[in-house]
Amino acid sequence: ETGVTQSPTHLIKTRGQQVTLRCSSQSGHNTVSWYQQALGQGPQFIFQYYREEENGRGNFPPRFSGLQFPNYSSELNVNALELDDSALYLCASSFSYGRGGEQFFGPGTRLTVL
Amino acid sequence: SQKIEQNSEALNIQEGKTATLTCNYTNYSPAYLQWYRQDPGRGPVFLLLIRENEKEKRKERLKVTFDTTLKQSLFHITASQPADSATYLCAPPSSSNTGKLIFGQGTTLQVKP
Repeated sequence: ETGVTQSPTHLIKTRGQQVTLRCSSQSGHNTVSWYQQALGQGPQFIFQYYREEENGRGNFPPRFSGLQFPNYSSELNVNALELDDSALYLCASSFSYGRGGEQFFGPGTRLTVL
Repeated sequence: SQKIEQNSEALNIQEGKTATLTCNYTNYSPAYLQWYRQDPGRGPVFLLLIRENEKEKRKERLKVTFDTTLKQSLFHITASQPADSATYLCAPPSSSNTGKLIFGQGTTLQVKP
């Protein structure tokens, strides 16, 4: 069984650029959630995808968008990068949602915006 | 709005002692609560889930309690070891979307040999 993988591991961008982060879910999981984690803070929920549809969104502006593909892998896109977007971006997969199931996190992508 | 509070100060204890971490929540009543462990530079790892109708849950040296009257969960590690040193995150679900977890800021535990 393959765990959750994310790419790239690290990324450096400049303000105003766009970035795409990728996540491959654990085998058998149909739900993906994305989180942003600033240094010293807990993860903040960005949005969740269930069977390719967005299923809930946190307090993030529309320049944060996502996709889930038929194989349940996912992308997080961030447009018009700002300095405050520098953080660890975590992807978590689970089987279904709302049932209290554990979420399996990937190792994260460290994004630095200069 | 829903608020999750964990002790932001690091907890330093001696090997072999019991570590107790606190998670308080306000303005709602979650149906369950999860605890995660996070090591530096890595994603969180699920440890335990406790539901509102369960007072206590155990897994090996870990014990979690859930007091819905006090709106508090306690996370205990007995016979602590240096390998238990990490940040521990409390995560109940959002009241509006139970698939969305609301994480506390985490408490860093340091176990000294």
